[in-house]
Amino acid sequence: GAVVSQHPSWVICKSGTSVKIECRSLDFQATTMFWYRQFPKQSLMLMATSNEGSKATYEQGVEKDKFLINHASLTLSTLTVTSAHPEDSSFYICSARARTSGTDTQYFGPGTRLTVL
Amino acid sequence: GENVEQHPSTLSVQEGDSAVIKCTYSDSASNYFPWYKQELGKGPQLIIDIRSNVGEKKDQRIAVTLNKTAKHFSLHITETQPEDSAVYFCAASPSWGKLQFGAGTQVVVTP
Repeated sequence: GAVVSQHPSWVICKSGTSVKIECRSLDFQATTMFWYRQFPKQSLMLMATSNEGSKATYEQGVEKDKFLINHASLTLSTLTVTSAHPEDSSFYICSARARTSGTDTQYFGPGTRLTVL
Repeated sequence: GENVEQHPSTLSVQEGDSAVIKCTYSDSASNYFPWYKQELGKGPQLIIDIRSNVGEKKDQRIAVTLNKTAKHFSLHITETQPEDSAVYFCAASPSWGKLQFGAGTQVVVTP
């Protein structure tokens, strides 16, 4: 149980284009999803917290107009990188919080490797 | 906010030996401490977690200890195997809060 999927697993795009990444909780309902980015050999950096049906809360320094987050249902959140540039190339990982037995455990997706040319 | 420090940054062990990774945290409000294993090119996988009402938790070859007074917690892996090679992250958060991650420990288990 507690499986989180991401699609696509990797994407290559041209500079200036937009890319959408999907995050799904497959076997549980996630009222909260989180988006992280991770650069090589570094830790996970939280970008934003997404609650179902409401606007995302962005961490300091993360441009909300560049990284659009939508959490339309209890099993799906999307991250759209708008007007992507090479410096946006990174490993993007989502996590979902499972309200199971009253616990707040976060389960992570497999990540999406974004390369912007 | 919360600050989590993790040591060591790299750890090489012989197969069959034990590995210990230590983390300290700063926010006394933190009461949830998960450990994640991340293999190259994959997302983090939860391997064990502990809450502040418990001092120690064990799951087969993996154990975690928590000292709330000293604000530190540790991951212990016994009888290490090559498949234990990965990057391990500790994290801390208050209940239902945001996770703050440590910098990670690259564990290499040599046969």
